[in-house]
Amino acid sequence: AQSVTQLDSQVPVFEEAPVELRCNYSSSVSVYLFWYVQYPNQGLQLLLKYLSGSTLVKSINGFEAEFNKSQTSFHLRKPSVHISDTAEYFCAVNTISGGYNKLIFGAGTRLAVHP
Amino acid sequence: SQTIHQWPATLVQPVGSPLSLECTVEGTSNPNLYWYRQAAGRGLQLLFYSVGIGQISSEVPQNLSASRPQDRQFILSSKKLLLSDSGFYLCAWSVPGQGHEQYFGPGTRLTVT
Repeated sequence: AQSVTQLDSQVPVFEEAPVELRCNYSSSVSVYLFWYVQYPNQGLQLLLKYLSGSTLVKSINGFEAEFNKSQTSFHLRKPSVHISDTAEYFCAVNTISGGYNKLIFGAGTRLAVHP
Repeated sequence: SQTIHQWPATLVQPVGSPLSLECTVEGTSNPNLYWYRQAAGRGLQLLFYSVGIGQISSEVPQNLSASRPQDRQFILSSKKLLLSDSGFYLCAWSVPGQGHEQYFGPGTRLTVT
């Protein structure tokens, strides 16, 4: 069965510093990978996705993630964070179970950006 | 464009009372629909998913049930709530066979007292 491991439950960082949120997955087949962001008391928003093609994918607000097949990783990075990036971030992998597509989520990483 | 609605936004219910949470999707047809629960400080647990009207699959045994009476309506129910049912309930939809990403609603915060 596929699984997702987010190695850090909390990541504190100062404003304008770089950040990396780590995600590893286990899968023996082709994967589709996603990062979602959740602000307090809100639903999840899709931040970026890897389906195929270029292994480096970018979001409109400066985040990027790189699919590394040999390392089975999909780490999320941002070179300079803002206070407004404070949120919980979830990594997810697509799986097929019972003939249907589903997402398996990691436990989440809480990013806290301090002034 | 597609939108997804959930109501109520917050709910406080006593133990043993019934539950009905509703989710509706606009702007798309025949979506796959999902119910997740997010307990405090934890990740998302898939509860139910549906690929069509009346077609419900359950991921975990529990005292909750789901129904899909219309193409774009997904309902989460319980006959008798438990304290452990407290959490943040999220509905999501996806386009069958395309992209595989899911789009989430704003969620319902349920507190069972």
